Parts: sequence; structure tokens; C-alpha cells
Amino acid sequence: QVTLKESGPGMLQPSKTLSLTCSFSGFSLSTSGMVVSWIRQPSGKSLEWLAAIDWDGDKYYNPSLKSRLTVSKDTSNTQVFLKITSVDIADTATYYCARSHYGSYAGYWGQGVMVTVSS
Amino acid sequence: DIQMTQSPSSMSVSLGDRVTITCRASQDIGNYLSWYQQKPEKSPKLMIYGATNLEDGVPSRFSGSRSGSDYSLTINSLESEDTGIYFCLQHKQYPWTFGGGTKLELK
Repeated sequence: QVTLKESGPGMLQPSKTLSLTCSFSGFSLSTSGMVVSWIRQPSGKSLEWLAAIDWDGDKYYNPSLKSRLTVSKDTSNTQVFLKITSVDIADTATYYCARSHYGSYAGYWGQGVMVTVSS
Repeated sequence: DIQMTQSPSSMSVSLGDRVTITCRASQDIGNYLSWYQQKPEKSPKLMIYGATNLEDGVPSRFSGSRSGSDYSLTINSLESEDTGIYFCLQHKQYPWTFGGGTKLELK
């Protein structure tokens, strides 16, 4: 059974760095074709894809945010991380991680973690 | 980036209605299009992949189709559990891009 779960700070101040963790089970990111993406959704709005990392360690970023994003994975291939630098109020959203296979559709999603940027 | 233009943004529907939601891609995405249903406070749920393929466990009243750069999600004989927000996603190329969403509500 594939499950993903996001975790994060809940709230942080503007200009700080947001660190998120996606912990998953039921698959290994070392398996050929596996990809984990980060996607966010401000309240009442649509979804925005942020970044992805694949089984080979290749990383992909949304150009609109690329300078602020860093995606990585742990050596056990059971966690993926996302860092967003210099956050501001516009980064307030629910952040999801999702699994795909060879970059195809997002078949499995985490429950999401809400992050509020506020002073 | 590939733009996904989704319409309508909202629909007020009745039980038993046939509902169609459409996404138009700004570039060729082939069949790299999937549809998701999102309930309040929940994560999106995959409904259709590859433009026309029904995900396991999704009721057969849901279907997907393609006509050129237009992709449609159709719900035949709407049931109350089908309310929510529906999004399309193109995964032809990064950055993935989503449609703006369609909110289905009961009249």
C-alpha cells in the first residue's frame, strides 16, 4: 500500500526558509521510474506544481520559483525534502507531495500540510 | 509553460444530470492529461489518466475524452457524492500545469 505524508512547521515568518518533508511507504524512490513531486494549493485556489525528484536523483523545478527551491531525498529513499527560501505571504498554502511513475500522472497524494507565512 | 484553460469554473447541477468539464491545452500534450476530484479539506483523487482511462475504483459514470487540444471529463447521471472541485493536469512536460478547477455544486 502506497502512502505519503507531508510534514512542516505550520507557521513561519516572512523571509525565513520553509523546510518540508515527505515521508512515504509502499515504494522506494530507488526503484526505476519513481518520481515524487511537490505541489501546493493556496486556500480556495488551484494547484501549482513546484518541483520533482526522480529515482536517479534528477531534479526538476518550476521556473517561476526555481531560484528559491531545493528538492532532495534521503539516502534510504523513503523521504523527499523541499526547501523554499525567502518565503512571503504568497507562499501560504497547503503543500502536497505526490508520486508518479516516469513522470506520468500523480497517482498517489499525501494528505497535505498547511503552511502559513505570517509575521 | 503549457497553459491549461478549464471551463466552466463552477456548475450548479441536479442529481441525474450529465455533466461535462473541459480543459484546453495551449500546446500539444498528446494524451498526457489526467483528471482529479477534490473534496473539501482533502487531497486530490485521481479519476482519469491518459485522457481516457478510468482509474481503478472510480465509478463507470465517469469518462474522459479528447478532441484535438480539448479534453473533457463527463459524469453521466450525477450522484450526490460527485460534488467537489475537479482539476485537469498536463504531465507532458515540466512544469506540470493544472487547470483552474471546476466546482460542482448541487442546485
